[in-house]
Amino acid sequence: GQQLNQSPQSMFIQEGEDVSMNCTSSSIFNTWLWYKQDPGEGPVLLIALYKAGELTSNGRLTAQFGITRKDSFLNISASIPSDVGIYFCAGRTNAGGTSYGKLTFGQGTILTVHP
Amino acid sequence: GAVVSQHPSRVICKSGTSVKIECRSLDFQATTMFWYRQFPKQSLMLMATSNEGSKATYEQGVEKDKFLINHASLTLSTLTVTSAHPEDSSFYICSAINRGRGRSSYEQYFGPGTRLTVT
Repeated sequence: GQQLNQSPQSMFIQEGEDVSMNCTSSSIFNTWLWYKQDPGEGPVLLIALYKAGELTSNGRLTAQFGITRKDSFLNISASIPSDVGIYFCAGRTNAGGTSYGKLTFGQGTILTVHP
Repeated sequence: GAVVSQHPSRVICKSGTSVKIECRSLDFQATTMFWYRQFPKQSLMLMATSNEGSKATYEQGVEKDKFLINHASLTLSTLTVTSAHPEDSSFYICSAINRGRGRSSYEQYFGPGTRLTVT
């Protein structure tokens, strides 16, 4: 089946630093998504990318859909303590039928921000 | 954004009993909902796709007779863990697709999750 390799697995940074994480796949995805999950909560959608090469920002977050459609990265600028959490990438192939909307998730990046 | 709720948020049950978890889309109609399971420090694992008015589609390795899914309305899907065992203890998360206007409305919006502990 499809797999997403997300890296790094964890990051320990100082408040104010920039963060970068990425996901790669052996197969093509038509949509890339980035979610954040706080402890004991469900994931929250941060950014959705629909077109190869697309670069999208959401406040201090910027994500890009790789031109090969097999990768994506997420950058967080000027990190703050509330950025702490687990970040997941997810890919979708836009298949129809019973596979519609199914996502493949990366393993997650655990982000710790020291004040 | 779209709001999805789950009930209960936490449940403790005895081994051999059944537990029902509800997933509701609060401000939109969801023809498709998904059920995931997440173990500590791991990613989300898709269990099944729930389509309103039809049978759920289960992922390989997920026992459909053990994890019963009912999507009886456009705003409610339920997951029943039957004859629960301690190894079923996990964080269960649902999501729903809001097929409203705009590209992002086709994305999955997740509920807050249900922590199941089987003793």
